[in-house]
Amino acid sequence: GNSVTQMEGPVTLSEEAFLTINCTYTATGYPSLFWYVQYPGEGLQLLLKATKADDKGSNKGFEATYRKETTSFHLEKGSVQVSDSAVYFCALSGTSYGKLTFGQGTILTVHP
Amino acid sequence: DTGVSQDPRHKITKRGQNVTFRCDPISEHNRLYWYRQTLGQGPEFLTYFQNEAQLEKSRLLSDRFSAERPKGSFSTLEIQRTEQGDSAMYLCATGWSLMQETQYFGPGTRLLVL
Repeated sequence: GNSVTQMEGPVTLSEEAFLTINCTYTATGYPSLFWYVQYPGEGLQLLLKATKADDKGSNKGFEATYRKETTSFHLEKGSVQVSDSAVYFCALSGTSYGKLTFGQGTILTVHP
Repeated sequence: DTGVSQDPRHKITKRGQNVTFRCDPISEHNRLYWYRQTLGQGPEFLTYFQNEAQLEKSRLLSDRFSAERPKGSFSTLEIQRTEQGDSAMYLCATGWSLMQETQYFGPGTRLLVL
């Protein structure tokens, strides 16, 4: 079946550091890939998505490129802010009816 | 705030009791999903509605769980004879047509079974 593997956390960075959170997936067919973010005390929000190979999703300075050859969708940001502290989930949608399969989440803490 | 609301936000119950959660989708969203999230894990799919029809159920959804979506608007998720292992965050997500794919999540209902 489909599965998503994220890098183990937590990740702790200083403000303005470069961020990479690794995500790899296993899926049949051609899934769409997503990054969702959960800020403290809030619900899951879509951060970005990519629907086909080589697509790049971007939002709020975050980027991720759909790499079919390496089955990866790594999240990157060039300069993180304290306000980026949250839990980040990689997910895919490739099965019937669009249900999402999530990774286990990566906790990011950014210090001033 | 995505516009998807869930009620209650928190529920504490004793083992063996029944509980019911409600999800109100964004208006005109015909797709509705329920997920369960335990501490330190990502959400896991439970069930899917397209309008009022329940089209898919996960094997995680035991006989004690039932979900409805009368008239294709709000949805309820009921757990009968709760067990401590049911303690989790229950998330509702809704969306437009399948072509859109994006799902909008509610704030969740946190259930604690004592």
